[in-house]
Amino acid sequence: NAGVTQTPKFQVLKTGQSMTLQCAQDMNHNSMYWYRQDPGMGLRLIYYSASEGTTDKGEVPNGYNVSRLNKREFSLRLESAAPSQTSVYFCASSANRGSYGYTFGSGTRLTVV
Amino acid sequence: GENVEQHPSTLSVQEGDSAVIKCTYSDSASNYFPWYKQELGKRPQLIIDIRSNVGEKKDQRIAVTLNKTAKHFSLHITETQPEDSAVYFCAGSRGDGTASKLTFGTGTRLQVTL
Repeated sequence: NAGVTQTPKFQVLKTGQSMTLQCAQDMNHNSMYWYRQDPGMGLRLIYYSASEGTTDKGEVPNGYNVSRLNKREFSLRLESAAPSQTSVYFCASSANRGSYGYTFGSGTRLTVV
Repeated sequence: GENVEQHPSTLSVQEGDSAVIKCTYSDSASNYFPWYKQELGKRPQLIIDIRSNVGEKKDQRIAVTLNKTAKHFSLHITETQPEDSAVYFCAGSRGDGTASKLTFGTGTRLQVTL
């Protein structure tokens, strides 16, 4: 029973490089989310997907793109990494109805140098 | 959009004492308020939540209260233990049946000292 699986756990990028963060859930949840966590700023929503085939911007979407590949998978792409994107990234999922609690992945610590 | 403010940013209590963390929200349509605990280097984990049709909810040593009129809600931890040391986040959402986007507070670092 894996829950929400994120890869990679750690990554160092050079400014301008691109990468994709992968996220998969096995709980049959409809909604998936990408947050970034920075010291003193809590968790801020980057993008979310209410259901398979839909994606929407969150609070801090600039510099990111997402793909909801299927019901299980939701990836986050940095096309041209910048030092300001150094952060810890968390993927989460939730069921739409009856329960709104999130299950988080274990996080990706990204450093852009 | 929703704005959630959380206080204090740090809180130190002695083992056995109570701890209270407070949050306010701006969107009067918000109706779901969870609390997450994050230990160092770990993922946030849901510890308790409350919906706007309820004023208080308890789970063993943890309780959450909600005042819809004042738009604030609080986490109460009684008989604190060293394992309660962590960062706690409050959050709010409309929970309208589509993606229930949570807006998080900035977190409270709780330290329980012996």
